[in-house]
Amino acid sequence: NAGVTQTPKFRVLKTGQSMTLLCAQDMNHEYMYWYRQDPGMGLRLIHYSVGEGTTAKGEVPDGYNVSRLKKQNFLLGLESAAPSQTSVYFCASSFRLAEETQYFGPGTRLLVL
Amino acid sequence: KQEVTQIPAALSVPEGENLVLNCSFTDSAIYNLQWFRQDPGKGLTSLLLIQSSQREQTSGRLNASLDKSSGRSTLYIAASQPGDSATYLCAVRYSGAGSYQLTFGKGTKLSVIP
Repeated sequence: NAGVTQTPKFRVLKTGQSMTLLCAQDMNHEYMYWYRQDPGMGLRLIHYSVGEGTTAKGEVPDGYNVSRLKKQNFLLGLESAAPSQTSVYFCASSFRLAEETQYFGPGTRLLVL
Repeated sequence: KQEVTQIPAALSVPEGENLVLNCSFTDSAIYNLQWFRQDPGKGLTSLLLIQSSQREQTSGRLNASLDKSSGRSTLYIAASQPGDSATYLCAVRYSGAGSYQLTFGKGTKLSVIP
């Protein structure tokens, strides 16, 4: 089991460029999440999904879009990157919502210039 | 706003010492509380998950307690080792609206000195 994997590991963007972060899990988990981690802010939820074909907004969704076309994949898109989106992005997954632990990927470090 | 606070932000101890990390939360209506470990440049690893009906959980040298009435959790690490050096994060899943998300503290950075 690879667990939760994220692609790419690191990326530099210019303001206004777009990109997609890919998260994949091989644990057959129903629920998937995207967080961002900023110094002094802790982790904050961007978007989440409770199953294939469903997505919902988290705490800080503005400037991001997501898609869950396949159960094992959760994509995070930035349509027009801004310097405020410089952060470390973590994907996580869990089997059930309330009772289960979340398993995290290694993170994607994004720098927007 | 529901928040999670971790004190201290950083802690340095000599190897072999027992230590306690603290986590406080603002609302006792929770599903569960988790402790995570994060190594520099890495993702989060779940250490212990305590359901709201439980008082504590143990794994090896780690023991986590939960007191919902006072809004507190502690992570006890026995006989600390240099390999325990990392940032420890506390996360709460609150009940009710927004129960889909974990609310994280900002972490305690632990350094165990050989």
